[in-house]
Amino acid sequence: AQKITQTQPGMFVQEKEAVTLDCTYDTSDQSYGLFWYKQPSSGEMIFLIYQGSYDEQNATEGRYSLNFQKARKSANLVISASQLGDSAMYFCAIHGFQKLVFGTGTRLLVSP
Amino acid sequence: DARVTQTPRHKVTEMGQEVTMRCQPILGHNTVFWYRQTMMQGLELLAYFRNRAPLDDSGMPKDRFSAEMPDATLATLKIQPSEPRDSAVYFCASGLTTGITGELFFGEGSRLTVL
Repeated sequence: AQKITQTQPGMFVQEKEAVTLDCTYDTSDQSYGLFWYKQPSSGEMIFLIYQGSYDEQNATEGRYSLNFQKARKSANLVISASQLGDSAMYFCAIHGFQKLVFGTGTRLLVSP
Repeated sequence: DARVTQTPRHKVTEMGQEVTMRCQPILGHNTVFWYRQTMMQGLELLAYFRNRAPLDDSGMPKDRFSAEMPDATLATLKIQPSEPRDSAVYFCASGLTTGITGELFFGEGSRLTVL
């Protein structure tokens, strides 16, 4: 079975500051992938970043980076230099060989 | 740009009516997921296909829901008969799974309202 835990229902950050969104996971699969998606108020699910379980380096995509700590089973998303447009729901997900399982999400609000 | 296409984007129907939602996965992708999103339950996995074969539909109410992939370019999710509690946004996602890869993209969703 796979499980994602996002313990922060909401986060606030000021524009231009960095913010970390927490994600811990549990899985019995040896090989798996970790994803972060952004869902703005318009509703679409936007892929942000991916980390494979065997990737030794942390994934980065522009202002997004994934702080992958395999031994602690954590995959936190770091957004550097927050922008107003980053205000949205953020979902962490894990994909093993059977399912893609999502966490409950964190709502991020970026203030001017 | 390649994208997952879902139709209809919005659907309002009356209780008891049949609803069919369609998804065109990205060309070359071999996995398709159907999710339902509500405020109360979040994102719930309904069905999962790999190479058109259903791998997991344990999250789907079998008495009224059915999911199929008649060919590699079309996935369908059908509700018959629909009920007000089925009102939700239904997402389709497609990906490429040879081992585990990072390619997994969502469609824009189908917002269903059952009156």
